[in-house]
Amino acid sequence: EDKVVQSPLSLVVHEGDTVTLNCSYEVTNFRSLLWYKQEKKAPTFLFMLTSSGIEKKSGRLSSILDKKELFSILNITATQTGDSAIYLCAVLIYNQGGKLIFGQGTELSVKP
Amino acid sequence: DGGITQSPKYLFRKEGQNVTLSCEQNLNHDAMYWYRQDPGQGLRLIYYSQIVNDFQKGDIAEGYSVSREKKESFPLTVTSAQKNPTAFYLCASSRTNMNTEAFFGQGTRLTVV
Repeated sequence: EDKVVQSPLSLVVHEGDTVTLNCSYEVTNFRSLLWYKQEKKAPTFLFMLTSSGIEKKSGRLSSILDKKELFSILNITATQTGDSAIYLCAVLIYNQGGKLIFGQGTELSVKP
Repeated sequence: DGGITQSPKYLFRKEGQNVTLSCEQNLNHDAMYWYRQDPGQGLRLIYYSQIVNDFQKGDIAEGYSVSREKKESFPLTVTSAQKNPTAFYLCASSRTNMNTEAFFGQGTRLTVV
């Protein structure tokens, strides 16, 4: 059975802290791994990772994929209260076109 | 503007009634998905479709049904057989056979009383 597992499930930090969110997966026909941020309603896309070892960065956020160990991390440096959200990891598998499977999410709360 | 539209945003229904949630996209995407989200949790896949007139069950399909008669539309019916239907429902779409992200609608919050 295809599975995506995120940890921790919830996290409380203070502004300025650095956080690392984890995502591991066990799937057949892996295609890519995606990170999304969900604040209220629709998740918004952050990163797509396809190749191992290549870091993707956007401002204070960065992410990397390890296809040998089957995991990815999302780093947020110098956290701000606006980073408070649920962070979702998803794996796109090639299954007669594609199937997107999500983990449980990590709920991040950044306190002032 | 291109995007995905879900309607309604909020829906209240009595127990035992079927209800249909709408999802329309004008992105010319082949693949469409329905997810359910419970408070503080991730997204669980209900059904997905990669082409018109074809769809597959996800992890929690019991008590739900879908149709894909048009490329733009992928409605979800929550039937009376769904034991715990109160949840937030998200529809998404993406290109098939391409490594691109999925785009989401704004969601429908269904409350069954």
